[in-house]
Amino acid sequence: DTGVSQDPRHKITKRGQNVTFRCDPISEHNRLYWYRQTLGQGPEFLTYFQNEAQLEKSRLLSDRFSAERPKGSFSTLEIQRTEQGDSAMYLCASSLEVAGGIYGYTFGSGTRLTVV
Amino acid sequence: AQSVSQHNHHVILSEAASLELGCNYSYGGTVNLFWYVQYPGQHLQLLLKYFSGDPLVKGIKGFEAEFIKSKFSFNLRKPSVQWSDTAEYFCAVNVDYGGSQGNLIFGKGTKLSVKP
Repeated sequence: DTGVSQDPRHKITKRGQNVTFRCDPISEHNRLYWYRQTLGQGPEFLTYFQNEAQLEKSRLLSDRFSAERPKGSFSTLEIQRTEQGDSAMYLCASSLEVAGGIYGYTFGSGTRLTVV
Repeated sequence: AQSVSQHNHHVILSEAASLELGCNYSYGGTVNLFWYVQYPGQHLQLLLKYFSGDPLVKGIKGFEAEFIKSKFSFNLRKPSVQWSDTAEYFCAVNVDYGGSQGNLIFGKGTKLSVKP
């Protein structure tokens, strides 16, 4: 499968615990995005990387959230001291941006987080 | 800030009926427009996109959308729906900063139920 991969598919954690999710983008894509989707809502932008540089962060991304893409390939999203309001589907997407266009904006299947 | 409005929360149609899902966005500059579909239990899939050129865009599975710049609209249409079109449909916009693209901003989605 050469699409966007996310791991794990599901995560149940107790409030206050830390969790980390991983995203493997399509290999030739230089951009990687994180979104969050709650029930009845469209995906909401969290942050994105161009290669290894984190270029934009949403104000939704509180200081408990941190994302990395250390080698410009896979990315991790960590949530510290989880709260029940963090329960959501976390989506990763990747794309190739070149001069004049953006190509292949592809989403992964997501990681569903449940905080109990 | 940019925003996307999808007028219908839930649409119920019989097979062979025609479909039109509304999408309006708020941004005065150059945008790219997308429609994504999410089938039950599956990830977001791109139906079609508009970057420039012919404002009538044809996508996969018989869907099309028309960009009307004066109305800030990008409505999705299909002349004859099938039971397999039952899914949630999301309109999305990103800002074109003259060769560089912003992140996607999604509407809240429209759930389509097609009765056999």
